[in-house]
Amino acid sequence: DTAVSQTPKYLVTQMGNDKSIKCEQNLGHDTMYWYKQDSKKFLKIMFSYNNKELIINETVPNRFSPKSPDKAHLNLHINSLELGDSAVYFCASSQSDTLDGYTFGSGTRLTVV
Amino acid sequence: DAKTTQPPSMDCAEGRAANLPCNHSTISGNEYVYWYRQIHSQGPQYIIHGLKNNETNEMASLIITEDRKSSTLILPHATLRDTAVYYCIVTYGSSNTGKLIFGQGTTLQVKP
Repeated sequence: DTAVSQTPKYLVTQMGNDKSIKCEQNLGHDTMYWYKQDSKKFLKIMFSYNNKELIINETVPNRFSPKSPDKAHLNLHINSLELGDSAVYFCASSQSDTLDGYTFGSGTRLTVV
Repeated sequence: DAKTTQPPSMDCAEGRAANLPCNHSTISGNEYVYWYRQIHSQGPQYIIHGLKNNETNEMASLIITEDRKSSTLILPHATLRDTAVYYCIVTYGSSNTGKLIFGQGTTLQVKP
């Protein structure tokens, strides 16, 4: 199926640990994003990559490091996890030379205990 | 901050049309109006977008006022599966320069 897929779907971890979330899209899009949805349900952009290059970095702590090995993948690594990092993280993709909407993944629910 | 204002919640009877309003009085000439929805616990889903003309697709219709300061998303025959948070977003069309800034949206409850 064509889609944006994220793994894992759920992640429970202790404070101080390092974890990664993976995202892959098979839509042939050239731009990928990470969004964070907090407990109040606000969706906020974190990063955007176009053809493997970082184009948006929304003052996210340095503990968050995105990596795009190719334009179909955008992973998110988080160091020294804190309680406040608990949220749902959504990956999305789009094609920059069209007006088509973004396609979002189904989210990764991260719980830091 | 989001450049749009939406009512926090609305109800609609199943089978009736759901009309969701959005104010975007500061929209600039080359910004588009996009609508997304988020069904509980799922990722946001693109619905429709427009610049100044009314638009229709298989999911919904978008009516944009002549001055472009407001718009209405119309779900012609709402079903229970349309219960979701609906987001109206103003953005430049190119994803290289634009980014989706989500506001609080409108929680639409479709009732039997």
